[in-house]
Amino acid sequence: KQEVTQIPAALSVPEGENLVLNCSFTDSAIYNLQWFRQDPGKGLTSLLLIQSSQREQTSGRLNASLDKSSGRSTLYIAASQPGDSATYLCAVFDMWGAAGNKLTFGGGTRVLVKP
Amino acid sequence: DVKVTQSSRYLVKRTGEKVFLECVQDMDHENMFWYRQDPGLGLRLIYFSYDVKMKEKGDIPEGYSVSREKKERFSLILESASTNQTSMYLCASSWLQETQYFGPGTRLLVL
Repeated sequence: KQEVTQIPAALSVPEGENLVLNCSFTDSAIYNLQWFRQDPGKGLTSLLLIQSSQREQTSGRLNASLDKSSGRSTLYIAASQPGDSATYLCAVFDMWGAAGNKLTFGGGTRVLVKP
Repeated sequence: DVKVTQSSRYLVKRTGEKVFLECVQDMDHENMFWYRQDPGLGLRLIYFSYDVKMKEKGDIPEGYSVSREKKERFSLILESASTNQTSMYLCASSWLQETQYFGPGTRLLVL
């Protein structure tokens, strides 16, 4: 059974510092890995999706890397801003059951960027 | 822009009541999902559907059922609500194994 871990559970940084968020997973047979952002009391917003054949994916200040063989992904957020304060979740897409796929989520890292 | 809407943002129900949570997506996605999110337990999959009238159990299906009569609509049903079903419920949809798009969530309180 796939397990996804995010350490640390919480992180506080001063504005302007680069953020490094870690995600590890136990089964390397994945289709893709997705990073999400969640603001308090809200749904999840997709940030980046990395296919299993890719090493990294970039969008603006965000860069996510994937090392399937070691079961790790890292999300980098450059020059953090107070608006980046949120919980960040990673999730891996496994093949599950005879007819479908499912995402397995990590517990998330709660980020606070202090002005 | 993909839009996933959920019928209620907040809901208060009594123990034993039948509860319907509805989710609608506008992108013709095959897959739709229901999750619940609890502090310390993270996001857990309750049920998902990969086509009309098709459903698969997730990690925690007990006490829940689902219905998908039309492609755009996926309903979660609590047959007899209990206090341990107080939670945040999140619906999502996706095309195959691509990005999942989430609704805003329904915070359910069962008294």
